[in-house]
Amino acid sequence: NAGVTQTPKFRVLKTGQSMTLLCAQDMNHEYMYWYRQDPGMGLRLIHYSVGEGTTAKGEVPDGYNVSRLKKQNFLLGLESAAPSQTSVYFCASQAASSYNEQFFGPGTRLTVL
Amino acid sequence: RKEVEQDPGPFNVPEGATVAFNCTYSNSASQSFFWYRQDCRKEPKLLMSVYSSGNEDGRFTAQLNRASQYISLLIRDSKLSDSATYLCVVFPAMNTGFQKLVFGTGTRLLVSP
Repeated sequence: NAGVTQTPKFRVLKTGQSMTLLCAQDMNHEYMYWYRQDPGMGLRLIHYSVGEGTTAKGEVPDGYNVSRLKKQNFLLGLESAAPSQTSVYFCASQAASSYNEQFFGPGTRLTVL
Repeated sequence: RKEVEQDPGPFNVPEGATVAFNCTYSNSASQSFFWYRQDCRKEPKLLMSVYSSGNEDGRFTAQLNRASQYISLLIRDSKLSDSATYLCVVFPAMNTGFQKLVFGTGTRLLVSP
């Protein structure tokens, strides 16, 4: 099993460009999450999904959109990138029940110039 | 006040030392507690859950103090490979609706030869 995978691993964007980050999990998990991690800020939840076709906002959703058309995939979109979105983005998945472990992908390092 | 607070460190210790980290949480009704480990430029991974009775896994011991609202992680006989950031994670109270894990910003440990 690959667990949770993320593509791409690195990306450099110019301000105003758009991109989509892809997260895939092969553990048949119901819940999926997108976080960003910045120095001194810890992990902050951007959006999450409790099942196929459903998404919800986390604590820092502005400037991002998500979709979960298939249970195994969770996409994070940046429509018009800004320098403030320079960060490391982690996707995570979890079996239903919040008592279960969250499994993280290896992260995507995004720089917006 | 942050929901989960940790001393960012770094804690610099020699190999073989015993080191302890504390983490405080603000929601007295919080249900579950975890320690995650994050290596430099890697994703977080579950280290251990924290049970009310305390639990031990090899050189690692986690304890919960509900009265004072803190959890602790004790590492005995530190190894160079223990150098990492340790994230305190709290699952809040079970209210209606989906509940999300709350991550602390992490405590950095550096073990030197």
